[in-house]
Amino acid sequence: DAGVIQSPRHEVTEMGQEVTLRCKPISGHNSLFWYRQTMMRGLELLIYFNNNVPIDDSGMPEDRFSAKMPNASFSTLKIQPSEPRDSAVYFCASSYQGAVNYGYTFGSGTRLTVV
Amino acid sequence: EDQVTQSPEALRLQEGESSSLNCSYTVSGLRGLFWYRQDPGKGPEFLFTLYSAGEEKEKERLKATLTKKESFLHITAPKPEDSATYLCAVQAARRGGANSKLTFGKGITLSVRP
Repeated sequence: DAGVIQSPRHEVTEMGQEVTLRCKPISGHNSLFWYRQTMMRGLELLIYFNNNVPIDDSGMPEDRFSAKMPNASFSTLKIQPSEPRDSAVYFCASSYQGAVNYGYTFGSGTRLTVV
Repeated sequence: EDQVTQSPEALRLQEGESSSLNCSYTVSGLRGLFWYRQDPGKGPEFLFTLYSAGEEKEKERLKATLTKKESFLHITAPKPEDSATYLCAVQAARRGGANSKLTFGKGITLSVRP
């Protein structure tokens, strides 16, 4: 398995533009998580899905952020409009959570810079 | 609200100098405590899951232990390749065993000098 695949790896955009980050989870995993990492705040959960259904989006900063998971093999995180304070590394992670807890597998992240 | 505090923020060791990293946590019913390693420019990599106080797990030079309030990551005779950021996270138990999120600490940056 190629692991969790995120694209793009780097994104530089101007303030006000729309940004879409993409994630392909590991086949067979039933949970998907979007995290944001900054030096000041560390890893923060934005939203997570179980079986493609959003369960907890309380970490989404505001209405400018939205996430979708149309099927088990794809998810997007969209920021519209983007602002400089959105600059961070965004990670997608997936896991299989059943009777045994295997932890998350993270992607390599998307480094977003909003200028 | 679940909370995780890691200390120290940074640790510099000489190769072969053993030490421990601390993770203090508060959670309403622990389902699991996780340790991850993160290298620069990469996503966190899973190391261990601990489920109950008294449990220990080992992998090469690393050993993780768990009490009701803390977890320690002991590093024995570290090598330069052990240099990384080590993250601790907790997962709370939910009704019916439903999936729940991991809450992470800010991490401990370990540097091992040759």
